[in-house]
Amino acid sequence: NAGVMQNPRHLVRRRGQEARLRCSPMKGHSHVYWYRQLPEEGLKFMVYLQKENIIDESGMPKERFSAEFPKEGPSILRIQQVVRGDSAAYFCASSPGGTLYGYTFGSGTRLTVV
Amino acid sequence: KQEVTQIPAALSVPEGENLVLNCSFTDSAIYNLQWFRQDPGKGLTSLLLIQSSQREQTSGRLNASLDKSSGRSTLYIAASQPGDSATYLCAGQTSGSRLTFGEGTQLTVNP
Repeated sequence: NAGVMQNPRHLVRRRGQEARLRCSPMKGHSHVYWYRQLPEEGLKFMVYLQKENIIDESGMPKERFSAEFPKEGPSILRIQQVVRGDSAAYFCASSPGGTLYGYTFGSGTRLTVV
Repeated sequence: KQEVTQIPAALSVPEGENLVLNCSFTDSAIYNLQWFRQDPGKGLTSLLLIQSSQREQTSGRLNASLDKSSGRSTLYIAASQPGDSATYLCAGQTSGSRLTFGEGTQLTVNP
């Protein structure tokens, strides 16, 4: 079991470009969560998805950010027209659902906007 | 809205010492509480998961307790080692399935 796979590990984008972050959940997990960790800050919830559905996006900025979890393939967090303030570590977690099993996190994608 | 606080923010101890990390939460309607470890520049490693119906969980030198009524959890590390140096995060799961994280305790164990 390869765990939660995130790629790329590091991503550098110039201001105004688009960033696409990918997350493949653990085998058997159908629930995906994205969190952001700004420098010297804690982890903040962004969005919770199940296959083809956004369940809770209350933590995601209203503009420039979007997320999807298609029927086939990884979950994608997309940031359009990146700004320097988007520089952060973005973590994906997955779970089988419910409250019995906890969350498994990936190693994160570190986005640097230059 | 759930808020999670961790005390202390940083802790430095000599090798071999037993230590306690504290986590408090405001919403007692918590389904479970999970402790994680984060090494610099790395992801989160799950250490222990305590269900709301449980009082404690143990794994090796780690023991975590949960007291819903007082809104507190503690992580006890026995016989600390330099390899335990990391940031320790607690996170509570409440309704809607989201995890709410504390700011973490940065632990340094000195040889």
